[in-house]
Amino acid sequence: DAMVIQNPRYQVTQFGKPVTLSCSQTLNHNVMYWYQQKSSQAPKLLFHYYDKDFNNEADTPDNFQSRRPNTSFCFLDIRSPGLGDAAMYLCATSRDRAGGQETQYFGPGTRLLVL
Amino acid sequence: QQPVQSPQAVILREGEDAVINCSSSKALYSVHWYRQKHGEAPVFLMILLKGGEQKGHEKISASFNEKKQQSSLYLTASQLSYSGTYFCGTRGGSNYKLTFGKGTLLTVNP
Repeated sequence: DAMVIQNPRYQVTQFGKPVTLSCSQTLNHNVMYWYQQKSSQAPKLLFHYYDKDFNNEADTPDNFQSRRPNTSFCFLDIRSPGLGDAAMYLCATSRDRAGGQETQYFGPGTRLLVL
Repeated sequence: QQPVQSPQAVILREGEDAVINCSSSKALYSVHWYRQKHGEAPVFLMILLKGGEQKGHEKISASFNEKKQQSSLYLTASQLSYSGTYFCGTRGGSNYKLTFGKGTLLTVNP
């Protein structure tokens, strides 16, 4: 089945220790997104890739970076995690960004705990 | 700008109906509805595009009034499996970003 896969499902890291979360997709979608969702809050977009074109949200901290080495994979790097970065990180994909093709399909998420 | 959802929470008995509303202060190109169960990823329900269309998904349907910048999600004859938090996500015209409302917690009891 075509899907969005995130690894790991749970990640524990130490304060200030870099961490990388991964996302892969078999949908062959052009667009990949990273969201941060804190408890009882709405998902908040961090950035997205339209093919190889990186689009950062204005309020995304510099501490968060992303890489998309190919169509299938996208990584979220948190350079120096703080306690406030503990959250669920959701990866999503869409075929396109508009024209009725912008439906986003989410992966299961990675829950990050910062000690 | 974040859309406003109402109500914030609703409790139903199995078989009852519910309506969840989503409104924006800005012109909308599309409205997306998702359901999220605790600890899981949001699951796509439906997308409504500019044009006032109404869509259905089993006993869940939705409408989109672009003039009023509002969308409503209708759940009829609710089932236990409908429990979860419902989010609407809205997209403006030239902005590709999907902005989610704060969510509506729906609880269906036997």
